[in-house]
Amino acid sequence: DVKVTQSSRYLVKRTGEKVFLECVQDMDHENMFWYRQDPGLGLRLIYFSYDVKMKEKGDIPEGYSVSREKKERFSLILESASTNQTSMYLCASSPSSTAGYTFGSGTRLTVV
Amino acid sequence: GIQVEQSPPDLILQEGANSTLRCNFSDSVNNLQWFHQNPWGQLINLFYIPSGTKQNGRLSATTVATERYSLLYISSSQTTDSGVYFCAVDTGNQFYFGTGTSLTVIP
Repeated sequence: DVKVTQSSRYLVKRTGEKVFLECVQDMDHENMFWYRQDPGLGLRLIYFSYDVKMKEKGDIPEGYSVSREKKERFSLILESASTNQTSMYLCASSPSSTAGYTFGSGTRLTVV
Repeated sequence: GIQVEQSPPDLILQEGANSTLRCNFSDSVNNLQWFHQNPWGQLINLFYIPSGTKQNGRLSATTVATERYSLLYISSSQTTDSGVYFCAVDTGNQFYFGTGTSLTVIP
């Protein structure tokens, strides 16, 4: 089975800090995605990547950036964390654009 | 963008009961996936089902792409089935998620 691992389950950061959320998949998947999930708003796509060093903006990229230096790792970066970025962050991967997603267990980020 | 609507939004069942969850979508899609989010937040893939019917134990799903809906059937529900069920549809380059059905199964 594909495994998608997110480095932290819970994270508390201060306003203004630079925050890195890491995601690693072990099945050589081409595509990787970052979503955030908020009550009443569902899952919203932040960024995605179809290949190493490639990135595409999703629906809500403002305040975030990403890095994909290696195929298996997709990092989400909050350049200067703000309280409105308190959320559940979910990483997913898929082998192709016509295949299903596998999600990691999520990182619950609190910005204080 | 594409609209994905799930119904009902909330459902409470007695253990052992059966249920049907529905997902309607507003445009043609390439793929559709059903997920279960457990109480710890993990999204577990249930079915990858762009069309047709699939079964896995007590769960089954049917997608009628031409009529733009999918159904998830849960039979003989158990307390471990509790959580939120999401439908997600793929229009070509990303999946769009519905707002989910929150299921509570009581003993």
